[in-house]
Amino acid sequence: LAKTTQPVSMDSYEGQEVNITCSHNNIATNDYITWYQQFPSQGPRFIIQGYKTKVTNEVASLFIPADRKSSTLSLPRVSLSDTAVYYCLVGPLGANNLFFGTGTRLTVIP
Amino acid sequence: DAGITQSPRHKVTETGTPVTLRCHQTENHRYMYWYRQDPGHGLRLIHYSYGVKDTDKGEVSDGYSVSRSKTEDFLLTLESATSSQTSVYFCAISGGMVDEQFFGPGTRLTVL
Repeated sequence: LAKTTQPVSMDSYEGQEVNITCSHNNIATNDYITWYQQFPSQGPRFIIQGYKTKVTNEVASLFIPADRKSSTLSLPRVSLSDTAVYYCLVGPLGANNLFFGTGTRLTVIP
Repeated sequence: DAGITQSPRHKVTETGTPVTLRCHQTENHRYMYWYRQDPGHGLRLIHYSYGVKDTDKGEVSDGYSVSRSKTEDFLLTLESATSSQTSVYFCAISGGMVDEQFFGPGTRLTVL
């Protein structure tokens, strides 16, 4: 099963680009990589999903190298409202392979 | 926001009592999930459903059962609540197995 490893926490100043890397050495061929964001007292919210190379949407970019054993979520020019926990999610071959892990707590500093 | 509601939002109960949490969706999504979230463990999948009457176990299914008698409702039952089941429970829905999940607001359960 493709479990993930992320940094426990990160700090960043407002306006900077933030890159959060997730390691998933056992990723399977038909697994997707998905990132979620969670604010306190709320459920997680989808940010971005990819399978390989690069994916970009209006809020983030996701970089996936050719071996797919890791991925990097890039948040451009973060603001205080980006302070949250970010989860890297790999899967599924089946829905029971959805491992959120403990996520990365990002704190944006003024 | 996706139409997902959870009830109750908060519940305090005693050890040994049965508890049922309800997740209701108005999106007609096929997949529904129950997670629990605890400090130091992140989100862990309890059970999920891939259709009416079709359910399967997740990572931490012991002590929990689920039922889905219609598309819009997914019930999570703690047959005999224990203090280790004190947690925040989130319901989620998705249209397909690899589609993004939409989460409900959560239910905070305290078992004394």
